[in-house]
Amino acid sequence: KAGVTQTPRYLIKTRGQQVTLSCSPISGHRSVSWYQQTPGQGLQFLFEYFSETQRNKGNFPGRFSGRQFSNSRSEMNVSTLELGDSALYLCASSLAAGGYQETQYFGPGTRLLVL
Amino acid sequence: GENVGLHLPTLSVQEGDNSIINCAYSNSASDYFIWYKQESGKGPQFIIDIRSNMDKRQGQRVTVLLNKTVKHLSLQIAATQPGDSAVYFCAETFYGNNRLAFGKGNQVVVIP
Repeated sequence: KAGVTQTPRYLIKTRGQQVTLSCSPISGHRSVSWYQQTPGQGLQFLFEYFSETQRNKGNFPGRFSGRQFSNSRSEMNVSTLELGDSALYLCASSLAAGGYQETQYFGPGTRLLVL
Repeated sequence: GENVGLHLPTLSVQEGDNSIINCAYSNSASDYFIWYKQESGKGPQFIIDIRSNMDKRQGQRVTVLLNKTVKHLSLQIAATQPGDSAVYFCAETFYGNNRLAFGKGNQVVVIP
């Protein structure tokens, strides 16, 4: 079974631009979460999508947004990029069959550099 | 990589020895805990998890111990191998929530 895939793997943008990152979850997984990883702040939760709805949101400004499609694929968007948005953006998927928590499996990430 | 420049606690261990990585979690309401391994240039890889109704769980070469009284989690790796060199993160969450809160990470360096 294929793992979580993320595209693109690397991206360079300039301040003020916007960017869209894509995530394809493991087949059959319905929940997709996004995390930002930086050396200074570590791994921080951005948001979670389930059944095309945002189910949970972290403490990030409104410039960070996302969506999920009917096939569970997800995209996140960052508008008006700032230098501090340079980070590794990780996507994780889980089965979300209901009940207790399920293991989240991570993709390789998209490394974003903002110049 | 993503952890470059970050002064992580580092554990240097001889190949074949056992490793113990510790983690203090923050939320007393957390009831699900996971250990992830992250190698340079890769996303976190699931190692083992434990629910709060257990205090020990074993996997292949790994054991997780949970002490809820002091909010402490540990990961034991038996017979550490060079491929175990990575950054290890503990993560916590609670019932009905997929939002993981991660610890700062521990660097493990295996000396051949």
